[in-house]
Amino acid sequence: AQKVTQAQTEISVVEKEDVTLDCVYETRDTTYYLFWYKQPPSGELVFLIRRNSFDEQNEISGRYSWNFQKSTSSFNFTITASQVVDSAVYFCALANAGNNRKLIWGLGTSLAVNP
Amino acid sequence: KAGVTQTPRYLIKTRGQQVTLSCSPISGHRSVSWYQQTPGQGLQFLFEYFSETQRNKGNFPGRFSGRQFSNSRSEMNVSTLELGDSALYLCASSFSKDRQFFGPGTRLTVL
Repeated sequence: AQKVTQAQTEISVVEKEDVTLDCVYETRDTTYYLFWYKQPPSGELVFLIRRNSFDEQNEISGRYSWNFQKSTSSFNFTITASQVVDSAVYFCALANAGNNRKLIWGLGTSLAVNP
Repeated sequence: KAGVTQTPRYLIKTRGQQVTLSCSPISGHRSVSWYQQTPGQGLQFLFEYFSETQRNKGNFPGRFSGRQFSNSRSEMNVSTLELGDSALYLCASSFSKDRQFFGPGTRLTVL
């Protein structure tokens, strides 16, 4: 069975702090995709990244970076120098390669960045 | 391009009633997926439609159904509403296998 665990329910930081959101997944598939989405208070899910299981390179996009480690089944997300606008719920999700529209979601981590 | 639109944005129904939610995908997108989001269960996949055919289905009872029209617009229907059906229902569309674009959701409250 596929499963995504985001152990951190809520995180609160002060602006400019770095913060890492953890994501651990379970799957028997050898080929799969991992995603991160952001859900601001408005409710609309915003795509952040998709990672193929064959690509273990870390990725950096501005203040965002992702660390994918198959050995520990983790796909962690780091925000550097956090800003108040980063306050949102962040979701990690998993899909198998043959059906990557059927996402299996973690329960999300609510991030509050305080001024 | 306009984003994914969902109507209505808010709905209040009573137990036993039925409800229909609508989703208009981004122009050119042929795949539409539906998700239910609740505080307790989080986000759960309901079903996916592609070219008017249901391609995938989640683990929901038969009271939850959907369809897709030739213009890719999709509707989902919930019959015999239960209190536990209160949720945010999200629709997502995609063109390729790359990513899904989500709409703002329909907030359904069942009294």
